[in-house]
Amino acid sequence: QQPVQSPQAVILREGEDAVINCSSSKALYSVHWYRQKHGEAPVFLMILLKGGEQKGHEKISASFNEKKQQSSLYLTASQLSYSGTYFCGTERGRWNYGGSQGNLIFGKGTKLSVKP
Amino acid sequence: EADIYQTPRYLVIGTGKKITLECSQTMGHDKMYWYQQDPGMELHLIHYSYGVNSTEKGDLSSESTVSRIRTEHFPLTLESARPSHTSQYLCASSAGQGAYEQYFGPGTRLTVT
Repeated sequence: QQPVQSPQAVILREGEDAVINCSSSKALYSVHWYRQKHGEAPVFLMILLKGGEQKGHEKISASFNEKKQQSSLYLTASQLSYSGTYFCGTERGRWNYGGSQGNLIFGKGTKLSVKP
Repeated sequence: EADIYQTPRYLVIGTGKKITLECSQTMGHDKMYWYQQDPGMELHLIHYSYGVNSTEKGDLSSESTVSRIRTEHFPLTLESARPSHTSQYLCASSAGQGAYEQYFGPGTRLTVT
């Protein structure tokens, strides 16, 4: 039940916008977004919870459509520092739901390159 | 600033050797995780722990084992390393289950020759 991310890769010029999508075939409790730069560990960006609650950086914008089991990450006015691979992680439930125990299943990632 | 540490950062070892990858966090987090990640690929959960004396296998089958004797320490052991174990191993921790930020360590890049 790995979430599907799209696009797989995107190249932007500085200042351009991008949208990264994450979808699941299963009902979701939450969607998590992380960014990983080459050779570094993933860094937390945002959590979107069923019911509309969000936790994360103020400058990051994202949405979570519970009915469609989809989330989108919006990167506006991109900067060079936005380059990296973006992973969404989905949480199917908590407390013995499907055995996930609230753990995350990560998508294959979207590689974002921002050029000057 | 997240305080989660992994040692060694890089390890090259021969087939059949026993190795332990260390992970420690100073944040008092109950939940800890081990992920395996091949270059350019997604993260796969191989082990997790809810707290002391609690360990579970993750989604990806792994020949490694873990222990959680202290809250801050979550080592991963390979009894007999094989070339197929060559990968990056990332340790992470979070304050609780599910909808909490995971803090990742810098990773251990393991090469088995």
